[in-house]
Amino acid sequence: DAGITQSPRHKVTETGTPVTLRCHQTENHRYMYWYRQDPGHGLRLIHYSYGVKDTDKGEVSDGYSVSRSKTEDFLLTLESATSSQTSVYFCAISVRVPPDNEQFFGPGTRLTVL
Amino acid sequence: GENVEQHPSTLSVQEGDSAVIKCTYSDSASNYFPWYKQELGKRPQLIIDIRSNVGEKKDQRIAVTLNKTAKHFSLHITETQPEDSAVYFCAASQTGGSYIPTFGRGTSLIVHP
Repeated sequence: DAGITQSPRHKVTETGTPVTLRCHQTENHRYMYWYRQDPGHGLRLIHYSYGVKDTDKGEVSDGYSVSRSKTEDFLLTLESATSSQTSVYFCAISVRVPPDNEQFFGPGTRLTVL
Repeated sequence: GENVEQHPSTLSVQEGDSAVIKCTYSDSASNYFPWYKQELGKRPQLIIDIRSNVGEKKDQRIAVTLNKTAKHFSLHITETQPEDSAVYFCAASQTGGSYIPTFGRGTSLIVHP
């Protein structure tokens, strides 16, 4: 186990409220990722980080921001949640050196925006 | 950027049959092709992967084949069992940069006892 946790595991919130999801890893992996998973769309990258304070956008970054102030923590923030952001969110780390990019996923956070 | 197409979206087989899931990719620079299995309510987990310098790789009942010329790769599961029922994702990684993998949309495999 690569030692990756997510919190909270489940959250129900209302439209317009801010939400922060946390990903925590214990093994100093450089690369961390946030994905969302929706039926029929597979895993879509929201944002990723390649080091402390180094982040970049993925294919579905609108409405999301991230921060990485420590190697072990990668936070995903929904500034003003919308119903279209109801999804399962997975954090992942890259556990092998490039070019093999094996992803190890966290347990997921199920977010419902009412 | 990379584009990965995965087919079929749903695959239903009888226990003991073989199952094949196919993926195509667009970027010839991709050189790492993992497959992930996701059981219901669980996280995706790597089950097998292949690099572009290898044409086939096997691990017990699962195998992956890669055709670089045609830019497609496939997952083969033999002697399927009910516990193989899950969603399977293929992915392709490009070299350079931050090595971001691109995932296919997934195949829901149902194995009937």
